[in-house]
Amino acid sequence: GAVVSQHPSRVICKSGTSVKIECRSLDFQATTMFWYRQFPKQSLMLMATSNEGSKATYEQGVEKDKFLINHASLTLSTLTVTSAHPEDSSFYICSAREYRVRTDTQYFGPGTRLTVL
Amino acid sequence: EDQVTQSPEALRLQEGESSSLNCSYTVSGLRGLFWYRQDPGKGPEFLFTLYSAGEEKEKERLKATLTKKESFLHITAPKPEDSATYLCAVQARLRGSQGNLIFGKGTKLSVKP
Repeated sequence: GAVVSQHPSRVICKSGTSVKIECRSLDFQATTMFWYRQFPKQSLMLMATSNEGSKATYEQGVEKDKFLINHASLTLSTLTVTSAHPEDSSFYICSAREYRVRTDTQYFGPGTRLTVL
Repeated sequence: EDQVTQSPEALRLQEGESSSLNCSYTVSGLRGLFWYRQDPGKGPEFLFTLYSAGEEKEKERLKATLTKKESFLHITAPKPEDSATYLCAVQARLRGSQGNLIFGKGTKLSVKP
């Protein structure tokens, strides 16, 4: 299967600082990437859809000014958590869409554990 | 409203004890149904995509099937390393241009030796 990487895998920061998470598709081009958030023992919650070269589409209830998304190339999307607070602590996972004529699959990154002190 | 329901929430099996996980869905036009495996602290790992009723796919001890209302993930003679949370997701045809997935809450499988 296709490979998606995320960096960093784990980050601890102080309240009020900003954190950037990178998501890369390593062996395919992804015009669309997705950002999810997952709380303990819960399923994935879609935060936003990121399209290369255009503005991200945010799900209802997700603050676009707090979670800045940039999809500057066909292999890289970034999520910046601005002015992070303890309630932003979570597991953030990205996925990249590999779209072909007969298949349409999302491949997920390994996730980033964010802890805000 | 598009919805995915997985059952059971948790399943404990003895090694070698075959069983099935269920994924029921309601969606305004199914584009695809996906199965993922997720280990603790990791991102979901892609297993299968099913596109039409009657379709089946296999991978080692896993076999996924699809009807118009549900999908089953059959696990034959499971091993402890099959322990994980199995996630089901659907992609609606109306949202096909974005490819958004709607996830169920998952089934946590534990296989004891």
